[in-house]
Parts: sequence; structure tokens; C-alpha cells
Amino acid sequence: AQKITQTQPGMFVQEKEAVTLDCTYDTSDQSYGLFWYKQPSSGEMIFLIYQGSYDEQNATEGRYSLNFQKARKSANLVISASQLGDSAMYFCAMREGMSTGNQFYFGTGTSLTVIP
Amino acid sequence: GAVVSQHPSRVICKSGTSVKIECRSLDFQATTMFWYRQFPKQSLMLMATSNEGSKATYEQGVEKDKFLINHASLTLSTLTVTSAHPEDSSFYICSARDPPPRSSYNEQFFGPGTRLTVL
Repeated sequence: AQKITQTQPGMFVQEKEAVTLDCTYDTSDQSYGLFWYKQPSSGEMIFLIYQGSYDEQNATEGRYSLNFQKARKSANLVISASQLGDSAMYFCAMREGMSTGNQFYFGTGTSLTVIP
Repeated sequence: GAVVSQHPSRVICKSGTSVKIECRSLDFQATTMFWYRQFPKQSLMLMATSNEGSKATYEQGVEKDKFLINHASLTLSTLTVTSAHPEDSSFYICSARDPPPRSSYNEQFFGPGTRLTVL
């Protein structure tokens, strides 16, 4: 079974509007971390936001927020006030456990296009 | 955040040659580095986990004799694609973790990637 599922291959959003990118995960671990990364056309992976499995509040980082619904095992990324520079691939990832040596599992990504 | 560099950023080689890609953690020591492969418009596929001073751990289906990994120091891991063929053409990305306290979440910091084209 897929550890991370992103069901939206591509999304479009009007500039200045908000957009939600979906992510569901599968784990039997009690301790895990969820991450979102942005990958522009240049290829670099840019860390956006993190949610720990024990965090009771949804994470927020500037225009990024993570809608964490633990019972549904979903960790959707919300980008508010979209900008043209937000156009990129977005990957959801999970790390099971807290060890620094634990690997990350990535979803298949969502390509976001911001329309002027 | 922590800085990870990769060199070269782009390489074109002839079929049958070997190519070495370097991954360096510039401002921290990384006991563990990860090597990923990414095909166009696809996700990152973990190839191997590189551990300083020991053998790399390869994911299932990855040929260890084809993709040689050496993590000789706490700041450098190398991936050598031996006898490269056109099907090895891909985007290769490394990552490393900067442990707390600077890294609050144990997130991975990624290098800028290396685009390999085998003719």
C-alpha cells in the first residue's frame, strides 16, 4: 500500500485565491512527521511546513497552513493568497518514527499552476 | 536552514562511461545522507541510504554494483553511476539531515539535484 497518496496530479488556482492540495497517509506508527515540499522547475526541493503526529494544533508558516485530520489520516496543504511564484510541484512526505536515520516516503506530487 | 550542495548540476556523458556525483553538507555534519532518483513529472524514489563509515543501504530493485555510494566523511557522499546507459538518464537528488537543535523537525535538506543525460 502507498504510504503517501496525492490524488491531484494538477491543480489550477487564480492569483490571490486560496488552494488546498490533498494528501493522505498510511502508517501504523503512533509517532510520525508529515512534511510538504515545493519543487519549482529548477528542481530544488524547498521545505515548506511540518506537522508532528502529536501536535494538537495545525501547523502554519506564513501563507502555508496544514489541515491535519489525524483520524482521517489526511494532511492537506492550504496556500492562501496564491502568487505566481507558487507555481511548482508540491510533494507531501512522511517520516515514520523520530529517528534522524528514518527515511522519508514521498507522494507522487501535485503540479500547481497559478493563473494571473 | 542547512545547506546541501551537489556537483555537477548537469552532466552529459556517452554510454558506457561512469559518472560521479558529489553531495556535500556545507555547514553541518551529516552521518546519514539519502540518494533519490526522479523521472520527469514523477515523485522522488529513494535509491539508497548512505551512512558515514559504513556500507550504504540500497532499496529493493536498485543495483548496488551499478550505483556505487561512498560516504567517506561526515560532509561528503558520492554516487557513481557505473557504465551508464541511456535508461540511467534522470534527475538525481541527495538529501541530508541536520539534527536538532538547528533542525526543528528532523526535516531533510535537499541538494539542488544533478541532471544526468546519457547519450
